[in-house]
Amino acid sequence: AQSVTQLGSHVSVSEGALVLLRCNYSSSVPPYLFWYVQYPNQGLQLLLKYTTGATLVKGINGFEAEFKKSETSFHLTKPSAHMSDAAEYFCAVSDQSGNTPLVFGKGTRLSVIA
Amino acid sequence: KAGVTQTPRYLIKTRGQQVTLSCSPISGHRSVSWYQQTPGQGLQFLFEYFSETQRNKGNFPGRFSGRQFSNSRSEMNVSTLELGDSALYLCASSLTPGQGSSEQFFGPGTRLTVL
Repeated sequence: AQSVTQLGSHVSVSEGALVLLRCNYSSSVPPYLFWYVQYPNQGLQLLLKYTTGATLVKGINGFEAEFKKSETSFHLTKPSAHMSDAAEYFCAVSDQSGNTPLVFGKGTRLSVIA
Repeated sequence: KAGVTQTPRYLIKTRGQQVTLSCSPISGHRSVSWYQQTPGQGLQFLFEYFSETQRNKGNFPGRFSGRQFSNSRSEMNVSTLELGDSALYLCASSLTPGQGSSEQFFGPGTRLTVL
């Protein structure tokens, strides 16, 4: 069975600082990996996804993530945090068949301090 | 193009009642998935529908049911409401089935409070 662990339910960074949100997965087969963002009172929005190919994936709003198979990780980074990045971030995994539902992590709330 | 629409946005019910939530997918999208989001359990998958057929179902009791209509609109129903059913219910649509293979677009959710 697939699972996702997001380390840190709450991360706080200063504006302009590096954002690093951690995600580790457990899967018996090569997975597809996703990062979603949820702003207050809104649904989820896809930031980026890894399927196959290049392990460094670039997404929207300056975010990127690197798939590291040896570490079973898919950490999300952004070089310089903006106030508008404050939101909840979810890592998710599915298998490559597309027939199994997405499994989400518990989420990490990002706060950006001016 | 309009996004995913969920109605109502907020609902207050009492224990024992039943509730129906509605989701209108993005035009042209034929796949609809439902999720329950709570602070304790996070995001949990409820169902996935494609072409009026349920493709997948999550680990929820039979009180939770859903359906999809020929125009791809979907409804979910919860009968005999319990306090623990209080949650944000999210609907997502995609062009094709398979949550991992087809990008999902989420609606803003319906906030259900059970008193």
